[in-house]
Amino acid sequence: EDQVTQSPEALRLQEGESSSLNCSYTVSGLRGLFWYRQDPGKGPEFLFTLYSAGEEKEKERLKATLTKKESFLHITAPKPEDSATYLCAVPDYGQNFVFGPGTRLSVLP
Amino acid sequence: GAGVSQSPSNKVTEKGKDVELRCDPISGHTALYWYRQSLGQGLEFLIYFQGNSAPDKSGLPSDRFSAERTGGSVSTLTIQRTQQEDSAVYLCASSLAGGGVETQYFGPGTRLLVL
Repeated sequence: EDQVTQSPEALRLQEGESSSLNCSYTVSGLRGLFWYRQDPGKGPEFLFTLYSAGEEKEKERLKATLTKKESFLHITAPKPEDSATYLCAVPDYGQNFVFGPGTRLSVLP
Repeated sequence: GAGVSQSPSNKVTEKGKDVELRCDPISGHTALYWYRQSLGQGLEFLIYFQGNSAPDKSGLPSDRFSAERTGGSVSTLTIQRTQQEDSAVYLCASSLAGGGVETQYFGPGTRLLVL
């Protein structure tokens, strides 16, 4: 069974304090790994797709990287507006995504 | 362009009543997904539509749940005889094509509370 885990469950940072979120997966034949951001009361917002080990993508203060077993979302010099839950997902054997439980990020001013 | 829209945004109902939730996908997207997100839980897949193919209903938790997609566009998720454990946020997503590797774009969700 495909599984996606994320760590830490929650992370509290001071503004400007860089850190990384982890997404680990067990899936045979990875067909992509997706990162989303979800703000309270809203649907997930797409951030990145990574397809192969070694691939990296950046957007503002966020950089996503991928290895054969995990992905990292690096947050550089975060701001309070980066506070959200970050979700990762992988396509399963069928037609849908398996989502991780998410990491709740709080960035304090 | 317009994103995925869902209605109602909030729904409060009494136990035993039926509810209908609506999803309007992004124009041109052939694939449509329904997920459920319970408080503090991850997203749980419910059902998937791709074009005119038979839907993948493998995630529906019970026969009280059903969904249809009319004309390859708008979808309705129906929950019959609602129970308190059905309280959750119901999220709809669409993608340009199916196959499970296309980026899914989500709507804002319908927050369902069963009293």
